[in-house]
Amino acid sequence: QKEVEQNSGPLSVPEGAIASLNCTYSDRGSQSFFWYRQYSGKSPELIMSIYSNGDKEDGRFTAQLNKASQYVSLLIRDSQPSDSATYLCASYNYGQNFVFGPGTRLSVLP
Amino acid sequence: DGGITQSPKYLFRKEGQNVTLSCEQNLNHDAMYWYRQDPGQGLRLIYYSQIVNDFQKGDIAEGYSVSREKKESFPLTVTSAQKNPTAFYLCASSISWHLQETQYFGPGTRLLVL
Repeated sequence: QKEVEQNSGPLSVPEGAIASLNCTYSDRGSQSFFWYRQYSGKSPELIMSIYSNGDKEDGRFTAQLNKASQYVSLLIRDSQPSDSATYLCASYNYGQNFVFGPGTRLSVLP
Repeated sequence: DGGITQSPKYLFRKEGQNVTLSCEQNLNHDAMYWYRQDPGQGLRLIYYSQIVNDFQKGDIAEGYSVSREKKESFPLTVTSAQKNPTAFYLCASSISWHLQETQYFGPGTRLLVL
């Protein structure tokens, strides 16, 4: 069974701090990785995708991928209360289905 | 405006009733998916379709049925055989068979049992 694991949280950080969200995956053949943000009662919204080892930055978000360790992370700099949501990690292996983690609930405290 | 639409936003089902959830996309994506999300849980795959007139069961297909007669449409029927249908249903689409395939989600339908 291919799995993506995340700490369910809640992860609480003060406003302005760096939030660090982590994810591990079991399918070593996975090539693509995604972070989705899901506000309560809403559908997931794609915020980052990463395909190569290393870091990828987009505004306040940085995704990090380490395929050797089968580990993906998302850093949110200067966290804002509006970042409070559940963050879903997903992996994709070409020709197969996406595998989603259970999500980590982030709470940014004003 | 490109995107994925789902209707209705809320749906109420009576005992023994079949209900159909609509999903339409104008992104010209080949692949479409249905997921179920229970409170505090991750996404579970119900059915998926990589191409018109073809679809495959996901992890929790029992009590559900789908059709894919048009590229832009992938309706999901929740049958009376699904004993615990209360959940948030999400439709997604992607280009399909692409190395950097990305899934995009519709706004979801919340199904409640009366």
